[in-house]
Amino acid sequence: SQQGEEDPQALSIQEGENATMNCSYKTSINNLQWYRQNSGRGLVHLILIRSNEREKHSGRLRVTLDTSKKSSSLLITASRAADTASYFCATAKAAGNKLTFGGGTRVLVKP
Amino acid sequence: DVKVTQSSRYLVKRTGEKVFLECVQDMDHENMFWYRQDPGLGLRLIYFSYDVKMKEKGDIPEGYSVSREKKERFSLILESASTNQTSMYLCATNRQGMNTEAFFGQGTRLTVV
Repeated sequence: SQQGEEDPQALSIQEGENATMNCSYKTSINNLQWYRQNSGRGLVHLILIRSNEREKHSGRLRVTLDTSKKSSSLLITASRAADTASYFCATAKAAGNKLTFGGGTRVLVKP
Repeated sequence: DVKVTQSSRYLVKRTGEKVFLECVQDMDHENMFWYRQDPGLGLRLIYFSYDVKMKEKGDIPEGYSVSREKKERFSLILESASTNQTSMYLCATNRQGMNTEAFFGQGTRLTVV
């Protein structure tokens, strides 16, 4: 079963615009993580937000977490063509850090 | 740099063959995972290992087994490959404890014909 569900499934924007994607999950979590995957490659970790945090920034990335709504958002500001990738949220429910992933959002940034 | 290395990028196997996918990590991480990735379904956990010789079933273990004889190596075994096991397979590792990120291999695209 998928713990995280991303929305939208696909997103197409112009370079310089912001990209926002959302993730919803079903059970209580220790943390929520966002990963990026370039076409046909492995995933790369972007950012981790703990369950007691509400917002976190890393460069052009901004992540929010609302545990009451069981949802998170990832904002990429001033997007670049190189941001074209699939983005996945993943949740960790307990120590041992088994991660459960959603279906991902495919982002296309047009130059 | 953490390295998680999967033995093959592309594999083509015949139905009924026994298939071994190998994953090696150099970061002394306790946890290792095998996921499969299919369009529209995201990543689904097949098996998880938290220590040498220890394993737990994930969400879709049917048709698969795993082996972890050494800390750095985690093998996924398809006992008798079937066409519905055609997929991208991803190995990942992380440290035990809370709030640790996962590191992924480059993936193995397996085609069963």
